[in-house]
Amino acid sequence: AQSVTQLDSQVPVFEEAPVELRCNYSSSVSVYLFWYVQYPNQGLQLLLKYLSGSTLVKGINGFEAEFNKSQTSFHLRKPSVHISDTAEYFCAVWGGGSYIPTFGRGTSLIVHP
Amino acid sequence: EAQVTQNPRYLITVTGKKLTVTCSQNMNHEYMSWYRQDPGLGLRQIYYSMNVEVTDKGDVPEGYKVSRKEKRNFPLILESPSPNQTSLYFCASSSVYNEQFFGPGTRLTVL
Repeated sequence: AQSVTQLDSQVPVFEEAPVELRCNYSSSVSVYLFWYVQYPNQGLQLLLKYLSGSTLVKGINGFEAEFNKSQTSFHLRKPSVHISDTAEYFCAVWGGGSYIPTFGRGTSLIVHP
Repeated sequence: EAQVTQNPRYLITVTGKKLTVTCSQNMNHEYMSWYRQDPGLGLRQIYYSMNVEVTDKGDVPEGYKVSRKEKRNFPLILESPSPNQTSLYFCASSSVYNEQFFGPGTRLTVL
């Protein structure tokens, strides 16, 4: 079965600083990768996705992620965060022979002024 | 507007009283699913459906039922709710292996 590990449960950072949220998954066979964001009291919405093609993926709100097949990682980055980026971030993997998407446990990004 | 709707948004009930949470999507997606979100556990899939009349268990199906009689609707049924089903529930729809569109969530409390 597929597994997804988000290495940090909480990441505190100051406004305008860079941030990286880490995600590793277990299978490198034909997987599709996603990052979702959940703002307080809301559902999840897509930040970015990797289905194929360029390994550097750009998403909304200035976020980007790089698919690294050899390290089975899909880390999320932003060069300068804003207070409004405070939210829960989920990495998800789909494929590898399974019809069930697998989500990580989430990383809470807390941006301080 | 493309969206997934869920009702009710909040529900407090008692142990053993059957309830249904509705889910509807207007994007003609084949794939629909239900998740529960619990602190520290992320999202776990309860059931999914690949198309009308095609449903299958996810990772945590015990105590839940679903049906897919129409492509747009995918209700979640708790026939005898218990306190360990207190959670935040999300419905989602998508094409297979692509971005999922999530509903706003249903916060369920079982006393």
